Amino acid sequence: QQQVKQSPQSLIVQKGGIPIINCAYENTAFDYFPWYQQFPGKGPALLIAIRPDVSEKKEGRFTISFNKSAKQFSLHIMDSQPGDSATYFCAATRNYGGATNKLIFGTGTLLAVQP
Amino acid sequence: DAGVIQSPRHEVTEMGQEVTLRCKPISGHNSLFWYRQTMMRGLELLIYFNNNVPIDDSGMPEDRFSAKMPNASFSTLKIQPSEPRDSAVYFCASSLVQGWKNTEAFFGQGTRLTVV
Repeated sequence: QQQVKQSPQSLIVQKGGIPIINCAYENTAFDYFPWYQQFPGKGPALLIAIRPDVSEKKEGRFTISFNKSAKQFSLHIMDSQPGDSATYFCAATRNYGGATNKLIFGTGTLLAVQP
Repeated sequence: DAGVIQSPRHEVTEMGQEVTLRCKPISGHNSLFWYRQTMMRGLELLIYFNNNVPIDDSGMPEDRFSAKMPNASFSTLKIQPSEPRDSAVYFCASSLVQGWKNTEAFFGQGTRLTVV
């Protein structure tokens, strides 16, 4: 129930393409779904996050689509650039209610955007 | 703010030796997390603290691993004795539980541990 499944493991797109990374969760108590971006030699950094009361969130070229009934969410990168090449992690947690709760991470997707 | 600060950045040690990893969370944050990252297992949560108290250590692999948080500005993760399979990048992260909502978790740059 604590797992977050992420696919694909790796992804190669051409510049300008729209990579899509998918995640699925099981625990319906999760109420916060962030995506983290990690460059080589760096720690993960928050990219964008969504709550389950909305179906889509956009921040710049990054969009999260959320399907609560299917317990799935995905990250879309519009007009991808070589600088977007990184590892992307989806995650899930209970973020509301005043208690610390742990982030459960997916296994990561290594994205390469070719010029 | 300097962000989450981890030391050392790299550690190479021999099997059987004790290893201590250090973390300084962001000032004012009251939650601290230790993660381990490997190619095979991805990002695994080892333990987390809230207000310096360990809340969940179910991810600690075995008794060789221990973590402490003596005060709000410092935490250690110790491996004794170390084994080659402990080789990984260890991340510390911190966040703030603020009223009814948590802030995002901010990660340090990690410590790359190699046990030979």
